[in-house]
Amino acid sequence: DTAVSQTPKYLVTQMGNDKSIKCEQNLGHDTMYWYKQDSKKFLKIMFSYNNKELIINETVPNRFSPKSPDKAHLNLHINSLELGDSAVYFCASSQDFGQGILGYTFGSGTRLTVV
Amino acid sequence: AQTVTQSQPEMSVQEAETVTLSCTYDTSESNYYLFWYKQPPSRQMILVIRQEAYKQQNATENRFSVNFQKAAKSFSLKISDSQLGDTAMYFCAFMISGANSKLTFGKGITLSVRP
Repeated sequence: DTAVSQTPKYLVTQMGNDKSIKCEQNLGHDTMYWYKQDSKKFLKIMFSYNNKELIINETVPNRFSPKSPDKAHLNLHINSLELGDSAVYFCASSQDFGQGILGYTFGSGTRLTVV
Repeated sequence: AQTVTQSQPEMSVQEAETVTLSCTYDTSESNYYLFWYKQPPSRQMILVIRQEAYKQQNATENRFSVNFQKAAKSFSLKISDSQLGDTAMYFCAFMISGANSKLTFGKGITLSVRP
């Protein structure tokens, strides 16, 4: 069973479109995250949610809106896609917010290409 | 703000030999955690090893070990008996203990294992 699963794995779309990426974890973790990996492979946190509550919101354009219907799911919706949004987006989860002693468990990533 | 620096962009090692990947970090906190993550061409982020800052003993996981120098704020990863499957990007990461914590990554290093 996949611990953190993201769908889709690949997404190609035109500028101006709206798209969503879904994430689910079956680990029973309390906290979920979205990270963006740019073309230079740099990983930067975007959001974190603890038990459906938004905890971290880094400097991210408000075209990006996370939604957590329950603590096992964290979806990312992106409006009016731009070329610069092309990247790999990773979902992750951890047990006990702020502790993360065992580190984060990552999904396999979604490669978003905006054309 | 916490920063993580990986100054070597890439390294190469012969199969079966040992290689050390460098990482330094900057923080004023005393309680924190350090991690090494591996990202093979499959894109999956895999936790390799972790270290609690309050532990003086260096962490070890099979062929992987760290050299944690708290005073120098250095956290290097040693890979012994390198295998072809170790070819990947390796990311050093840091997280303070406590609420609103987040995993901060270095820029990564590309490791190639030569047959």
